[in-house]
Amino acid sequence: DGGITQSPKYLFRKEGQNVTLSCEQNLNHDAMYWYRQDPGQGLRLIYYSQIVNDFQKGDIAEGYSVSREKKESFPLTVTSAQKNPTAFYLCASSPGLLAYYGYTFGSGTRLTVV
Amino acid sequence: DAKTTQPNSMESNEEEPVHLPCNHSTISGTDYIHWYRQLPSQGPEYVIHGLTSNVNNRMASLAIAEDRKSSTLILHRATLRDAAVYYCILYPTGANSKLTFGKGITLSVRP
Repeated sequence: DGGITQSPKYLFRKEGQNVTLSCEQNLNHDAMYWYRQDPGQGLRLIYYSQIVNDFQKGDIAEGYSVSREKKESFPLTVTSAQKNPTAFYLCASSPGLLAYYGYTFGSGTRLTVV
Repeated sequence: DAKTTQPNSMESNEEEPVHLPCNHSTISGTDYIHWYRQLPSQGPEYVIHGLTSNVNNRMASLAIAEDRKSSTLILHRATLRDAAVYYCILYPTGANSKLTFGKGITLSVRP
């Protein structure tokens, strides 16, 4: 079955370390997204990508970086510059960056800084 | 971006229909209305979306007011598995538009 795989499900990081979250999709979708969710809050957009080798900042990109070298993959790096990285991270994809497409989400990675 | 207003929470009984309201009085003519739901500790799940006409799918129905300033997500027969946070989102048509999530409405289902 097609879908989005995020790994790992849980991740612990020491302060000052960079960490990379994986997101892979086999839906043949062009657009991919990263969101962050804090407890009791809605999702906030970090980065998004319409096509390979292209990505754009979302609302809260500071302290994060991404790459899109393959259509299927959109990894997110949480750098040491991110001041409050503990959160639930969600990856999504859609056929394109247009409003009549629905998004498919992964099951998320819960990052904890210790 | 145009905003939506949803109640914070709603309760329903199992096996009864549920009507989740959403107000969007500043909606523009090209904004799509999207609904997603999120179960605890999971990623959001697409439910339904529409532009002007009512929409039905296997999960739910979306009733859109004639002036498009409000909409209602209808779950025809609630189950315990429908307990979740439901997000009503306006998704503008246009280059570089994205889904922007609010806090949603928390639906509780009583057995």
